[in-house]
Amino acid sequence: ETGVTQTPRHLVMGMTNKKSLKCEQHLGHNAMYWYKQSAKKPLELMFVYNFKEQTENNSVPSRFSPECPNSSHLFLHLHTLQPEDSALYLCASSQGRTNTGELFFGEGSRLTVL
Amino acid sequence: AQKITQTQPGMFVQEKEAVTLDCTYDTSDQSYGLFWYKQPSSGEMIFLIYQGSYDEQNATEGRYSLNFQKARKSANLVISASQLGDSAMYFCAMREGQAAGNKLTFGGGTRVLVKP
Repeated sequence: ETGVTQTPRHLVMGMTNKKSLKCEQHLGHNAMYWYKQSAKKPLELMFVYNFKEQTENNSVPSRFSPECPNSSHLFLHLHTLQPEDSALYLCASSQGRTNTGELFFGEGSRLTVL
Repeated sequence: AQKITQTQPGMFVQEKEAVTLDCTYDTSDQSYGLFWYKQPSSGEMIFLIYQGSYDEQNATEGRYSLNFQKARKSANLVISASQLGDSAMYFCAMREGQAAGNKLTFGGGTRVLVKP
């Protein structure tokens, strides 16, 4: 069992659907992240939240909408996605300003857009 | 230009032998950190080892060691005595500066397959 839990693990949706990915961390961290992992591409940072405040939006299309209601929960709301958005979406957390900056990842939500 | 380069897309290694995974990086920061992560088929990214730019000694964690050559901007991962469970994707990553948020930039990964 990891300290970062993501649900659902798998999601199939049509281009007109609205769905959400959920991430919860049980590590007491104050920073949370969304990364996108597409086939044959490096992990891409999407969003960063520190103490519930968004501190990074890496030019992500508006069809991806993050929400961080508290330091333990992070959501990624999805609407009118495209087939090229199919990927593994990884959530991570960290302690913010630390000596190493290690990220703790969840197992990911594998999204397929039809 | 890519900040993290992993030139080996895939490698085979014999069980119980050592394997070296290459990683080169590009940064103008004086303070940075280098990481290696393992990603098994389950998808989770598992932290393996960390090297700070000011650390004078190479980092070691059990069977993992990091061969840090600062002048060459390389941070190769060495896995000793490979086990079947080491079969996975391995990613090198870098944190630049000391900015809050600890953003990591990842390389493209190397797939390792350990043969019995």
